[in-house]
Amino acid sequence: GQQVMQIPQYQHVQEGEDFTTYCNSSTTLSNIQWYKQRPGGHPVFLIQLVKSGEVKKQKRLTFQFGEAKKNSSLHITATQTTDVGTYFCAGSAQGGSEKLVFGKGTKLTVNP
Amino acid sequence: EAQVTQNPRYLITVTGKKLTVTCSQNMNHEYMSWYRQDPGLGLRQIYYSMNVEVTDKGDVPEGYKVSRKEKRNFPLILESPSPNQTSLYFCASSWRGQTQYFGPGTRLTVL
Repeated sequence: GQQVMQIPQYQHVQEGEDFTTYCNSSTTLSNIQWYKQRPGGHPVFLIQLVKSGEVKKQKRLTFQFGEAKKNSSLHITATQTTDVGTYFCAGSAQGGSEKLVFGKGTKLTVNP
Repeated sequence: EAQVTQNPRYLITVTGKKLTVTCSQNMNHEYMSWYRQDPGLGLRQIYYSMNVEVTDKGDVPEGYKVSRKEKRNFPLILESPSPNQTSLYFCASSWRGQTQYFGPGTRLTVL
């Protein structure tokens, strides 16, 4: 079945450093979504990418969807302590499946 | 306020004692699902529902049941809980293929 791999599993950075998490799917995706889960909280939607090669920005966060629609990345510039949490990617396989498969997430800690 | 509610938020129970975790959404979403979250394993889908009376298995359905008699509610039923079902459970709802809105989570401990 469809698998979504996400790396790294953990990332510890100093405040001000950049951070990137990568997501790879075993199948072509119709779209990819990114979520953030703060410690003790629930996943909260960040963004959805639909088009091949799409790049979207939200302030210090940059999201990319690969040309082949099988990979994606989230890059945070100049991390802040408020960025702490676990970032998940989630993809739906092309072909109309409703099933959203989540990556295992990348847990980000930021040292002030 | 648009939201997904779950109850209870915390539950400690014993092996074999049937329990139900309720989930309700007020956004008229067609799609609802249940996930469990375990350390190092991420979010794994248990069951999902695309509309009233339409449910299907996710990745880890064993030991769980669901029903969707009304659009807003999607309860998760553990007929005979076992310790390996100790986990953090999330309900989520969405329009088809769109953003998933997650509930606050239910932390379940089965002794």
